[in-house]
Amino acid sequence: GESVGLHLPTLSVQEGDNSIINCAYSNSASDYFIWYKQESGKGPQFIIDIRSNMDKRQGQRVTVLLNKTVKHLSLQIAATQPGDSAVYFCAEMVTGGFKTIFGAGTRLFVKA
Amino acid sequence: SQTIHQWPATLVQPVGSPLSLECTVEGTSNPNLYWYRQAAGRGLQLLFYSVGIGQISSEVPQNLSASRPQDRQFILSSKKLLLSDSGFYLCAWSYTRTGNSGNTIYFGEGSWLTVV
Repeated sequence: GESVGLHLPTLSVQEGDNSIINCAYSNSASDYFIWYKQESGKGPQFIIDIRSNMDKRQGQRVTVLLNKTVKHLSLQIAATQPGDSAVYFCAEMVTGGFKTIFGAGTRLFVKA
Repeated sequence: SQTIHQWPATLVQPVGSPLSLECTVEGTSNPNLYWYRQAAGRGLQLLFYSVGIGQISSEVPQNLSASRPQDRQFILSSKKLLLSDSGFYLCAWSYTRTGNSGNTIYFGEGSWLTVV
């Protein structure tokens, strides 16, 4: 079911370093995955997605890796900037469905 | 391009008072619509979703209700608010067609509700 009632894990990185945020997804039938970024007081914003027929997808400064064997998803942010400070959520769904399962979220702090 | 608007952005309401949060989507037709709630520092909890006008599915039994009077309008309501209703409420939409991108959910800016 949906992620509720969990305290957020936190990742603290130095500005300019690379960040890796991890997520374990729950449904082995999920075939579509999304990463969202949520800044304080705002709604989550779509960052990048990946389908299950891919292992890796790259965007601008972000890369998503998918390991279906262990049901693991990661978001890599290159050259992390202060503006990257936010909570990051992974999400999983089955194509054609409309129920999205969200992870608990990870709070990223970027130290200047 | 598609946009989603929800209001009010912030709301402070006494216990027992009614609630109405509104959401509209522009730039698309027949979207799936959603209401989520997010407690402070917590994850996202799906409250309601709708696949069409007048079609509402509830995920969590509670004193909230949702309505979809028009294709691109989604309303979250309560007749009597509880303290536990405080939180950050997010309206969201997705395409009904699957395509190659699944049904990505796009969120509004959220509404902060504090019940006092």
